[in-house]
Amino acid sequence: NAGVTQTPKFQVLKTGQSMTLQCAQDMNHNSMYWYRQDPGMGLRLIYYSASEGTTDKGEVPNGYNVSRLNKREFSLRLESAAPSQTSVYFCAIFEGTETYEQYFGPGTRLTVT
Amino acid sequence: RKEVEQDPGPFNVPEGATVAFNCTYSNSASQSFFWYRQDCRKEPKLLMSVYSSGNEDGRFTAQLNRASQYISLLIRDSKLSDSATYLCVVNMITGKLIFGQGTTLQVKP
Repeated sequence: NAGVTQTPKFQVLKTGQSMTLQCAQDMNHNSMYWYRQDPGMGLRLIYYSASEGTTDKGEVPNGYNVSRLNKREFSLRLESAAPSQTSVYFCAIFEGTETYEQYFGPGTRLTVT
Repeated sequence: RKEVEQDPGPFNVPEGATVAFNCTYSNSASQSFFWYRQDCRKEPKLLMSVYSSGNEDGRFTAQLNRASQYISLLIRDSKLSDSATYLCVVNMITGKLIFGQGTTLQVKP
């Protein structure tokens, strides 16, 4: 997972608890993304940040907030976790116009009970 | 309607077969297109970009038809190691990167 680190790798929360998933890159890419992946659903975009200082909603933003702290870091916060948020969360970076570079973090496996 | 749609499969093929995956996208403002590969419980990895002129990387050929908003991936001479989920991805001009739900390929000996 050259260039993208995610913490934690695993987490169990009780309904109503909050937590922040951290993502950091050392590739100096402008675009960063948070996805969730559920069985049979593919990857669904939660939020993305096309550049430092901007964030936008993706396909499934409800129940989440994000912060693009600087060019390196993009965090995802669950304010009040729900069982429906049990999923694998991936952070990704992307850059390019004619040639492309893209990397994913290793994922965070979150269970909400 | 989902922005990027794929047939989820699974596609079960024998070694050596040729297999084709298709994908459609709904937003005509889509800017760039990709195929990714994902192995079980791992993160997706970029397989190849897709261009209107078509592009080839070894046994893999990708094609884009902008008029029909359609993307394809052809795998020739399938290997056991090709077994994975293949994801179609569209990059919007806004920077939004949308994944299809993936097509599962199982290559059997």
